[in-house]
Amino acid sequence: GQQVMQIPQYQHVQEGEDFTTYCNSSTTLSNIQWYKQRPGGHPVFLIQLVKSGEVKKQKRLTFQFGEAKKNSSLHITATQTTDVGTYFCAGGRANNLFFGTGTRLTVIP
Amino acid sequence: KAGVTQTPRYLIKTRGQQVTLSCSPISGHRSVSWYQQTPGQGLQFLFEYFSETQRNKGNFPGRFSGRQFSNSRSEMNVSTLELGDSALYLCASSPPRPGPGTGELFFGEGSRLTVL
Repeated sequence: GQQVMQIPQYQHVQEGEDFTTYCNSSTTLSNIQWYKQRPGGHPVFLIQLVKSGEVKKQKRLTFQFGEAKKNSSLHITATQTTDVGTYFCAGGRANNLFFGTGTRLTVIP
Repeated sequence: KAGVTQTPRYLIKTRGQQVTLSCSPISGHRSVSWYQQTPGQGLQFLFEYFSETQRNKGNFPGRFSGRQFSNSRSEMNVSTLELGDSALYLCASSPPRPGPGTGELFFGEGSRLTVL
């Protein structure tokens, strides 16, 4: 069954609005990774978080790993049309990587 | 450095046939993982190979198999194809990691399989 849940499944935002996707696991993770897949493309690694409560930023993207290492979020500030795509989280545990179902982001210009 | 290369990019098969997909990882990467991606199920893990040995396996029937060669290139095979096997099959390689745990994945463009 699905080890990592991700919400929402779809998100439509107006360009300039913020966007957040959430990832939840029923078990403690050793690390969390985030990937972006553009329409028609393949997943591309964005970042990895390892420490409890860790927060990392990449320009307009902010990634958080929960204190209990069971949840994570990706927040995009002031979305742009180039942010369009599906964002996947992937939780690592016992040498396995469990992908969330992804959040498909549409940005309306 | 060349990326992960998958062949063929597109293929069409009919039910009951079998298919072999190939993946060449990034030079120096010894771990190769395979994923099935469908609109309804997202990214489903098939298996991972490291140094020619299957290290992890997902929850797929025995019709799905794979192998890895001494040069780290990998193939996956699906026998007795079913309509539901239509999907994008993604291969990913990862660099050596200093300790236990998962490393970042570098995905290929994928092989899009259509079963008629």
